[in-house]
Amino acid sequence: KQEVTQIPAALSVPEGENLVLNCSFTDSAIYNLQWFRQDPGKGLTSLLLIQSSQREQTSGRLNASLDKSSGRSTLYIAASQPGDSATYLCAVRNARPLNDYKLSFGAGTTVTVRA
Amino acid sequence: GAVVSQHPSRVICKSGTSVKIECRSLDFQATTMFWYRQFPKQSLMLMATSNEGSKATYEQGVEKDKFLINHASLTLSTLTVTSAHPEDSSFYICSARDQFHEQYFGPGTRLTVT
Repeated sequence: KQEVTQIPAALSVPEGENLVLNCSFTDSAIYNLQWFRQDPGKGLTSLLLIQSSQREQTSGRLNASLDKSSGRSTLYIAASQPGDSATYLCAVRNARPLNDYKLSFGAGTTVTVRA
Repeated sequence: GAVVSQHPSRVICKSGTSVKIECRSLDFQATTMFWYRQFPKQSLMLMATSNEGSKATYEQGVEKDKFLINHASLTLSTLTVTSAHPEDSSFYICSARDQFHEQYFGPGTRLTVT
C-alpha cells in the first residue's frame, strides 16, 4: 500500500523567504505525482503535475522536483508572499494497475507566510 | 478549465437523518468520480470510486450501506450519508476524472451532525 509522508507538517516564514516542502512515498512505481493547494475549508487546486518520466515541473514561482527512485518530491516556492499561506498536499498515482486512477495523499504541510 | 461543483457546501443535520451530497462536472463528462473524506488537519482519504452506470467500489473499512453512492449520469454523482451520526461529521470532497485521466476536485461539503 502506498504511503505518502509530508514534512514538515507546518511551516511559518517571513515574507520573501523561499519555501521548501518535502514529500516522500514508499512505492516508487508511480505513474505521476501532483502537488495541490488547499485553502481552509475549501477544495483542492492543482499546482503542478509531474509524470514519472520527468524530473521537474515549473510554473511561475513554483518548482517541483521528482526523484522517483528514492521516492521523493520537493516543492519550492520562491519569494513567498502572504497569499501563499495555505496547506499544500502531495498526491501520487500508482503505476499499477494501469487503470487504477486512485490518488494517495500526504497529510499536507500548512504554510504561513508572515507579512 | 474543468470545473467540478458540489452541493451543498455546508450542511447541518440531526443524528439519525440522511444527507445527500451532489457532485457535478460542469463542462466535461466524467465516467469516474471519486469521493474523499477529510478530517481536521488530516489528509484526504479515498472512500469510494464511482463509475457511471455501475456500482461504486468502496475502499476497505468504508460501509457501503452507510455511504450510498449513485453515479446516474456522466456529469453527476451523489453521496448519501444514511443514519448520520456525529462521528460522520467531516469534510467530503469529490473529484471527477476527464477523458485525459486528469482529476478535478470539487470545493467540498462540510457536514456537521448534531
